[in-house]
Amino acid sequence: KAGVTQTPRYLIKTRGQQVTLSCSPISGHRSVSWYQQTPGQGLQFLFEYFSETQRNKGNFPGRFSGRQFSNSRSEMNVSTLELGDSALYLCASSQRQGSNEKLFFGSGTQLSVL
Amino acid sequence: AQSVAQPEDQVNVAEGNPLTVKCTYSVSGNPYLFWYVQYPNRGLQFLLKYITGDNLVKGSYGFEAEFNKSQTSFHLKKPSALVSDSALYFCAVSDASGGSYIPTFGRGTSLIVHP
Repeated sequence: KAGVTQTPRYLIKTRGQQVTLSCSPISGHRSVSWYQQTPGQGLQFLFEYFSETQRNKGNFPGRFSGRQFSNSRSEMNVSTLELGDSALYLCASSQRQGSNEKLFFGSGTQLSVL
Repeated sequence: AQSVAQPEDQVNVAEGNPLTVKCTYSVSGNPYLFWYVQYPNRGLQFLLKYITGDNLVKGSYGFEAEFNKSQTSFHLKKPSALVSDSALYFCAVSDASGGSYIPTFGRGTSLIVHP
């Protein structure tokens, strides 16, 4: 079974631009979560989608948005990029929602904002 | 609200020696606890989890973790470290009692195993 696939692997953008990141979960996994990883803050939860609906949202500004398609693939969009948005963005999938579900992570998209 | 503390940014250990990576947690109900490992330029990989039952949980690559309810800790251990264990380790907690099922992660501990 293929793992979680994130594209692109690296992105370089300038302030004010917008960016779209893509995530394909493991086949059969219906829950997709997004995390922002930075050296100082660790992993910060962005949002979680299940059956094309956003079920949970972290404490990020409205510039961060996402969606999930009927095949469970998910996209994350960041508009009006700021320097502080530079980070590794990780996508994780699981078969179900639930507190005891283990997450399967992709390798991430490294976003650099100049 | 739930939280995780990993008090050490970095742990250094010699190859062949036992290792411990510390984690303490706070959650309103009963915890589900997880350890993940991240190798350079990779995403996180699941190591082990505590749901209920035996306080000593065994996971991948010879790692184990001990759940201590009174100390609200879930330390990761391995009897004999390998250089290949060098990586970033994350502890995570979620609420088993009906709160948010989204896990909260610690800031990570960098484990460096010296030859």
